[in-house]
Amino acid sequence: DAGVTQSPTHLIKTRGQQVTLRCSPISGHKSVSWYQQVLGQGPQFIFQYYEKEERGRGNFPDRFSARQFPNYSSELNVNALLLGDSALYLCASSWKGEDYGYTFGSGTRLTVV
Amino acid sequence: KNEVEQSPQNLTAQEGEFITINCSYSVGISALHWLQQHPGGGIVSLFMLSSGKKKHGRLIATINIQEKHSSLHITASHPRDSAVYICAVPPYSGGGADGLTFGKGTHLIIQP
Repeated sequence: DAGVTQSPTHLIKTRGQQVTLRCSPISGHKSVSWYQQVLGQGPQFIFQYYEKEERGRGNFPDRFSARQFPNYSSELNVNALLLGDSALYLCASSWKGEDYGYTFGSGTRLTVV
Repeated sequence: KNEVEQSPQNLTAQEGEFITINCSYSVGISALHWLQQHPGGGIVSLFMLSSGKKKHGRLIATINIQEKHSSLHITASHPRDSAVYICAVPPYSGGGADGLTFGKGTHLIIQP
């Protein structure tokens, strides 16, 4: 079985632009979580989706949005990019979320210039 | 909200040494995660544990729920174990759909 796949792996955007990051969970996993990891820090929780509904949201501005599709894949959208949005964006899938085991993707490295 | 403290922040050791990384948290939880992150990003889940001890190869994880403390041990360490090791817990005692709260990580370097 394929693991959690994220695309693209690297991305360079200009301030003010919009970006869409994609995540495909492990087959059978219905929950997807998104995390932002700024260089030198631990990941910070952005969103969790389960069965296509938002179940949790971290302390991020409304410029960040996400959705989950019927096949349980997910997209993270960030509008009006700021330099501070430069980070590694990690997706994690689990069967149900919460205290169930997570499998992480390799991440998308976003650089905003 | 749960506060996670890891120690040490940085650790350099010689190949073959026994390694211990510690994690303390402030709010009672049902499960704790140990993760490994290599340079370049990708995170690998090593353990999820809610009590006692788990072992996988040369890695051992223990947790004391009463003391809100967990340790990750590496026996017979090898240069390929060099990575950042991160402890993560649910943010609230009830878990919930608020993702995980991560420690800042322990940067481990094993020298040949």
